[in-house]
Amino acid sequence: EAQVTQNPRYLITVTGKKLTVTCSQNMNHEYMSWYRQDPGLGLRQIYYSMNVEVTDKGDVPEGYKVSRKEKRNFPLILESPSPNQTSLYFCASSFRVGIHNSPLHFGNGTRLTVT
Amino acid sequence: KNQVEQSPQSLIILEGKNCTLQCNYTVSPFSNLRWYKQDTGRGPVSLTIMTFSENTKSNGRYTATLDADTKQSSLHITASQLSDSASYICVVSEDSNSGYALNFGKGTSLLVTP
Repeated sequence: EAQVTQNPRYLITVTGKKLTVTCSQNMNHEYMSWYRQDPGLGLRQIYYSMNVEVTDKGDVPEGYKVSRKEKRNFPLILESPSPNQTSLYFCASSFRVGIHNSPLHFGNGTRLTVT
Repeated sequence: KNQVEQSPQSLIILEGKNCTLQCNYTVSPFSNLRWYKQDTGRGPVSLTIMTFSENTKSNGRYTATLDADTKQSSLHITASQLSDSASYICVVSEDSNSGYALNFGKGTSLLVTP
């Protein structure tokens, strides 16, 4: 089944403790991206990757890191989480952004709480 | 600044009724516009895509329209069902020199009641 898999689904951590949220897709998509979703603010892009070893900042990259060493995986790293990073996070992939028949495929989200 | 504005922010309708959600954008140059449906606790799922040359497109009880001149799109839901309760997100793709950028609206939260 074609899908984007995020892990974990729920995560509670403390300020300053490094964490990684994994994202994997099995559709051979070139484009992958991370978003956070907060009430009243909608989806905001954190980082995106057009292909392997190519990553770029989105609208809210501060406090986050990503890597794209292989096509299928795009982990999101929080080196020193803070309470303002408490949010619902989504990973998404697409064959190629801009091609008309390439929608974003989203994972089911990771709800992160930083205390 | 947000280049994609959706209205209303939230909407409550009775089961069986129709409704229309609005998306206005200032994104330029325009590539395409997608409507996504996001069920509670799930990731968004694409409903339909509108390109510059398309005025209307249907997907079951969902009909999307696009007026590229006024930069407006609407999503019309016919004979609503309880399962239509969700957030509907408008995403406009921008065809820029550096590639394609995605611009997200904040969504319209729809509640269909019995």
